[in-house]
Amino acid sequence: DGGITQSPKYLFRKEGQNVTLSCEQNLNHDAMYWYRQDPGQGLRLIYYSQIVNDFQKGDIAEGYSVSREKKESFPLTVTSAQKNPTAFYLCASSIDHGAANEKLFFGSGTQLSVL
Amino acid sequence: EDQVTQSPEALRLQEGESSSLNCSYTVSGLRGLFWYRQDPGKGPEFLFTLYSAGEEKEKERLKATLTKKESFLHITAPKPEDSATYLCAVSNAGGTSYGKLTFGQGTILTVHP
Repeated sequence: DGGITQSPKYLFRKEGQNVTLSCEQNLNHDAMYWYRQDPGQGLRLIYYSQIVNDFQKGDIAEGYSVSREKKESFPLTVTSAQKNPTAFYLCASSIDHGAANEKLFFGSGTQLSVL
Repeated sequence: EDQVTQSPEALRLQEGESSSLNCSYTVSGLRGLFWYRQDPGKGPEFLFTLYSAGEEKEKERLKATLTKKESFLHITAPKPEDSATYLCAVSNAGGTSYGKLTFGQGTILTVHP
């Protein structure tokens, strides 16, 4: 079955530690996204990538980094510079960024907590 | 700046009690309005895309409608399995915000048997 796989489901970060969240898709989609979800707030865009080896900052990129070396993979690193990392992180993909049908396919999310 | 506000924040219904969820939006140029369903601890699942005022789309017990300022998600005779958080998002058609999605905070729907 085609879809988006995020891992791990739960992740704990110690003070000063960088952690990496994995996102893999087998939908052959060009565009991939990382969103952060906090209780009572809308999803906020962290980074997005329209094509391999290219990515752009979203609304809340500070303290995060990404790479897009393969079409299928878009890992997110939460660095020690992100002072409030506790949140539910969602990876998504779409056929093409800005396409007429901007239908996003989401993974099941990673819950990141601070120890 | 694009804004999306959903109301109510939470809605509790009895099974079979029809109601509507509201999504009010402000966007410089609407490319599309999207509805998603999200179950606890899961990622959102796509429901509908609406492109222009007057458009309507239906799926089982759900019907989405669109005006120039808001969208409604009507739920007819809901069942407990319709319980979820419903998210609304708008896509901007213009300039540097082209294709950018702005999400509302969601409405938590609980349907009691």
